[in-house]
Amino acid sequence: DTGVSQDPRHKITKRGQNVTFRCDPISEHNRLYWYRQTLGQGPEFLTYFQNEAQLEKSRLLSDRFSAERPKGSFSTLEIQRTEQGDSAMYLCASSLRTPYSNQPQHFGDGTRLSIL
Amino acid sequence: EDQVTQSPEALRLQEGESSSLNCSYTVSGLRGLFWYRQDPGKGPEFLFTLYSAGEEKEKERLKATLTKKESFLHITAPKPEDSATYLCAVTDTGNQFYFGTGTSLTVIP
Repeated sequence: DTGVSQDPRHKITKRGQNVTFRCDPISEHNRLYWYRQTLGQGPEFLTYFQNEAQLEKSRLLSDRFSAERPKGSFSTLEIQRTEQGDSAMYLCASSLRTPYSNQPQHFGDGTRLSIL
Repeated sequence: EDQVTQSPEALRLQEGESSSLNCSYTVSGLRGLFWYRQDPGKGPEFLFTLYSAGEEKEKERLKATLTKKESFLHITAPKPEDSATYLCAVTDTGNQFYFGTGTSLTVIP
């Protein structure tokens, strides 16, 4: 399977702990996106990369959230000092940027985070 | 800010009963409108991309259309396996994607 892969699928942690999620995009895609999705809502954009450059991060939810894509391949999303409100599904997507249009994003199955 | 509104929030159909889902949007410089299907516990699955008013795309029992202010996803003779949440998203010149809250479709045998 050559789709977007996310790890872990589920994460349960205590409030105040740090968590890190990994995303492996489709190999030929140059853009990678992170979203948060809560029950009954659509995905909420957090940040995105083009290759290794983080082009938008103003919509990260707070300074406790950070993302990296060090070599332009896989990406990690870290949440520090987790809070109950961080419980959600975290989705990763990738796409191919072309000069004249935005190609569709392809999503992984997400990491479900539960804060105790 | 760009906005996407989907209606209805939920829709129950009898098997074979055709209907349409609506996605209305306000965006400066539309660079694409996308339809996705999402099953519980899964990530959204890409269905269609529409780039300009008047464009139409079809796949099996689904047909997506686009005007300057809204898009419709028409479902013809749905089957129970079409039950899912259908999400609409738009992207603008800023290259960000904005999703609606989705329509939860249930098709009853």
